[in-house]
Amino acid sequence: DAGVTQSPTHLIKTRGQHVTLRCSPISGHKSVSWYQQVLGQGPQFIFQYYEKEERGRGNFPDRFSARQFPNYSSELNVNALLLGDSALYLCASSPLLAGATYEQYFGPGTRLTVT
Amino acid sequence: EDQVTQSPEALRLQEGESSSLNCSYTVSGLRGLFWYRQDPGKGPEFLFTLYSAGEEKEKERLKATLTKKESFLHITAPKPEDSATYLCAVLTTDSWGKLQFGAGTQVVVTP
Repeated sequence: DAGVTQSPTHLIKTRGQHVTLRCSPISGHKSVSWYQQVLGQGPQFIFQYYEKEERGRGNFPDRFSARQFPNYSSELNVNALLLGDSALYLCASSPLLAGATYEQYFGPGTRLTVT
Repeated sequence: EDQVTQSPEALRLQEGESSSLNCSYTVSGLRGLFWYRQDPGKGPEFLFTLYSAGEEKEKERLKATLTKKESFLHITAPKPEDSATYLCAVLTTDSWGKLQFGAGTQVVVTP
């Protein structure tokens, strides 16, 4: 089975621009979460979507938004990019079956560089 | 406020030299504790989930344990391919999907 896929792999943007990152979860997984990882730190939670609804939001500004599609894939959008948005953006999927597990499986990430 | 702290920040081991990594946590209610391995520039790779104090899980040279305040990841007779950053994360009872990570322990195993 294919794992979590993310696109693009790398991206270079200029301050003030907008970016869209994409994620396809593991087949059968209905929950997708987004994380930002700055070099030398652990991932920071941005959003969780389950069954196309937002179920959690981290401490990020409104410039960050996301959505989940009927096929459970997801997009993360960041507006008005700042230099500090440069990071590895990670998508994770989870089956979130009732009474079962909460493991999250991560994709390879998108490396965003803002210049 | 929930906190996850990992120690040491970095660990250098000789091949075969066993050691332990620590993850201490302060949360209102623990739903689960997770260990991940991350290679440079890649996404975290899932290793273990622990749900209750006293639980232990093993995979090859790795063994994870959990108490009410901390978790340990024991690396037995490590090999150079075990070199990576090991991340600990907690999921609290007020969330389904918000993993809160520690900063990680960078492990280097030399031949």
